[in-house]
Formats: sequence, structure tokens, C-alpha cells
Amino acid sequence: QSVLTQPPSVSAAPRQKVTISCSGSSSNIGNNYVSWYQQLPGTAPKLLIFDNDKRPSGIPDRISGSKSGTSATLGITGVQTGDEADYYCGTWDSSLRGVVFGGGTKLTVL
Amino acid sequence: QVQLVQSGAEMKKPGASVKVSCKASGYTFTSYGITWVRQAPGQGLEWMGWISAYNGNTNYAQNIQDRVTMTTDTSTSKAYMELRNLRSDDTAVYYCARGPVVPASILRYWFDPWGQGTLVTVSS
Repeated sequence: QSVLTQPPSVSAAPRQKVTISCSGSSSNIGNNYVSWYQQLPGTAPKLLIFDNDKRPSGIPDRISGSKSGTSATLGITGVQTGDEADYYCGTWDSSLRGVVFGGGTKLTVL
Repeated sequence: QVQLVQSGAEMKKPGASVKVSCKASGYTFTSYGITWVRQAPGQGLEWMGWISAYNGNTNYAQNIQDRVTMTTDTSTSKAYMELRNLRSDDTAVYYCARGPVVPASILRYWFDPWGQGTLVTVSS
């Protein structure tokens, strides 16, 4: 059972928009920055979003992040087959004194 | 370009130790920490801890802090993660990743890039 709660799976048709939620508490998301990672099959995770809503260079603007209270959301517009991957949220947890990740969400492009 | 290259796959028996290395290049090694994350087969990401390449300070996950040691060698820009008294449930892919930025008044825990991963298999 992960400290951060993500839906196990989401799906979207090509060119549609999808959102992935990440729910936590005041000890983690509520008072710390959230980051998001994409893990394509058989590869290492890749940073998509840091500091709640910032994109590293090279990440397209169809990828977005937001945070409100104790929840965060990853948005992907114009979904492509190449976006099929597992997505993880992560943040610091002040009570556990460690980094916590969500359980991951598998994105399927229909 | 910024890159982390890890050592190769390991096969160990229960009770043994494993030491995984992570060679950094393309950035100032001592300006960041190195974080270690593992992923058991078919499972999610589990944070193991991190080490500051700036001053060697460490912060380990509570569930493994008595079995893990993280070190760095600034002369070679390498980080190491040693896990002792291995069990079958330590079987996983172990990743190193750059981050957080150090020193910092507020540590921001995002990790980029990641190494390619090292598969550690624990089996009798």
C-alpha cells in the first residue's frame, strides 16, 4: 500500500486529454513539492514534472502538472501511442522523513 | 550530456552483500546528491535513500537503514550503494538518480536523470 494514491490505470483515445491523480496528506503533498515520472516499458523512469508544475527542458508543453491542497494532477493533452507507460508521482514525506512514490498508473492509448 | 551509468547485473545468495556503482558525467558531481530507488519485479518505485556528493551526508529509508550504506568517491564521480544480508525480497532493479541539488536551504526531491538500472537477483 503506497503512501500516495494513484489510480492503477487510465485510458484515452489518441489526441484526447488524460489526467492522472495523486492523493496524499499534509505530511507529504500538502507541504512539499511534487514530481512526476514516466516509465516506458523496460526502461528507467524519466522526469516529466518537478516542483509541482515545472517541465524540464525537452518535455513538451502538452505535459502539465498541478497541485491543490493534498492532491496533485498530471495532465497529458494530445495523447499518443508513444505515451503508453507507467506514471509515478513522488514527494517528500515529513512524517516518514523519506521520499514516497505513488503506486503508479498505467496509461493505455486505445 | 548528463549521464549516470551503473554497474552490471548481480546474482547473490541470501545473506550475502551486493555493491552497485553509479558513474556520473556531464555535470559537477558535488553540486547534487545521488538518490537510490529500487523496483521489484512488476512493482512500483521504492525510495532507498540518498547521499550528498557535496558533504557525504546520508538519509536512508527507515525499513532498510540497518542494512544499507551509500558512499561517494568525488575523485571518480562515482556513487555506491551496498546492501547487506540480502533476502529474496531484495530482488529488484536498483536505480541511481541525480538529485537533490546540494547544498540547499530547502531540499527539493526531484530526480533527473536516472541510471539504466542494475538487476540484483537474490536466490539460493
